[in-house]
Amino acid sequence: EVQVVQSGAEVRRPGESLRISCQVSGYTFSNFWIGWVRQKPGKGLEWMGIIYPDDSDTTYSPSFQGQVTISADTSTNTAYLQWESLRASDTAIYYCTRLGADVGSYCGGDCYPPGDFWGQGTLVTVSS
Amino acid sequence: EIVLTQSPATLSLSPGERATLSCRASQSVGRFFVWYQQRPGQAPRLLIYDGSDRATGVPARFSGSGSGTDFTLTISSLEPEDFAVYYCQQRRSWPLTFGGGTKVEIK
Repeated sequence: EVQVVQSGAEVRRPGESLRISCQVSGYTFSNFWIGWVRQKPGKGLEWMGIIYPDDSDTTYSPSFQGQVTISADTSTNTAYLQWESLRASDTAIYYCTRLGADVGSYCGGDCYPPGDFWGQGTLVTVSS
Repeated sequence: EIVLTQSPATLSLSPGERATLSCRASQSVGRFFVWYQQRPGQAPRLLIYDGSDRATGVPARFSGSGSGTDFTLTISSLEPEDFAVYYCQQRRSWPLTFGGGTKVEIK
């Protein structure tokens, strides 16, 4: 059974650093893309970036390039989302999701599978 | 970046009624289109992929149609657990993008 479990809620002050995690089980972690999605309070979903754990190939959405760092550790089946200096505007729920390589048709190099398994979300609150 | 526009923003219906949700893409995405459901306080759940294929465990009352730039999600007869927010997403090109969401609420 595939499981995606995220780390718990965090409260930080502006300027502080933070790393949240997403640990998976029930499948071969290295062989599926992992994506991170932001949801600000009361708002919609935004793709932040994705990583392929096998070779750490990482792609960021333009809005998040340079703002966060996505990484993965294949020895612990864990993906990470990291900030060096948080802002109040980073307050949100962050979801990780497995991109199901066996879901849907192959559609080329710039095309990615849908998110088929999702973590429960990590609430990050940044406030002074 | 491909922009997805969902309509309506809110749909007020009664249990048992039919719901029709729309999503328009700013350029063609072929059939590489996805629908998710998000219930209050929960993570998104994959419903439909490649325009019309139901994900594992999704009831048959959910159906998707469309290709190119115009897509529709239909719920044939609303159950109490279907009142939620629905998001469309294109997976054709990076960056992946979501629509703004349609809230299906109880009338």
